[in-house]
Amino acid sequence: NAGVTQTPKFRVLKTGQSMTLLCAQDMNHEYMYWYRQDPGMGLRLIHYSVGEGTTAKGEVPDGYNVSRLKKQNFLLGLESAAPSQTSVYFCASSSDSLGYTFGSGTRLTVV
Amino acid sequence: AQSVTQLDSQVPVFEEAPVELRCNYSSSVSVYLFWYVQYPNQGLQLLLKYLSGSTLVESINGFEAEFNKGQTSFHLRKPSVHISDTAEYFCAVSGAGGFKTIFGAGTRLFVKA
Repeated sequence: NAGVTQTPKFRVLKTGQSMTLLCAQDMNHEYMYWYRQDPGMGLRLIHYSVGEGTTAKGEVPDGYNVSRLKKQNFLLGLESAAPSQTSVYFCASSSDSLGYTFGSGTRLTVV
Repeated sequence: AQSVTQLDSQVPVFEEAPVELRCNYSSSVSVYLFWYVQYPNQGLQLLLKYLSGSTLVESINGFEAEFNKGQTSFHLRKPSVHISDTAEYFCAVSGAGGFKTIFGAGTRLFVKA
């Protein structure tokens, strides 16, 4: 089925460790986004991309890096994980402003 | 800049009762408005959207929302809810012609038997 695939679905990290979250979409969408979801705070935009090879900062970019080397993939990196980065991370894609397609999320715990 | 306020964090309701989830937005430009639904342990799914034209929009599972420009609101309603409607609902806004979407904090709908 067409859509957005996120890997991994769950991960536990120790403080200071690094990891990369993978997002892949097969809808040929131009725009891709990384959000984090925390209780009572809704979704907050971390970084986004308007096309292959481009990235931009969102609302809460500190501590994260991203890359979009291929149009279908958008990677989110944590260089040195902190407990404050414990969250559920969602990737989304869109072709315009007419609505997003979301992945099923990655639940990250930093201990 | 745009913002979205969902006026209720939690809404408990009995099965078959009507429900309204409230959403207000602010924007200095024309907007597109959305409602997304998130079932437990899943990603968000687009429920319905207002882009232009008729101010009343409907989803395939009986929800509807009305765009009220004067009150800058986009409330979500359903005349009779089911247990399966239990989920978190997010109101969202983007600038017309833009691509970045701002999400509200979410309203958790509990449907009780």
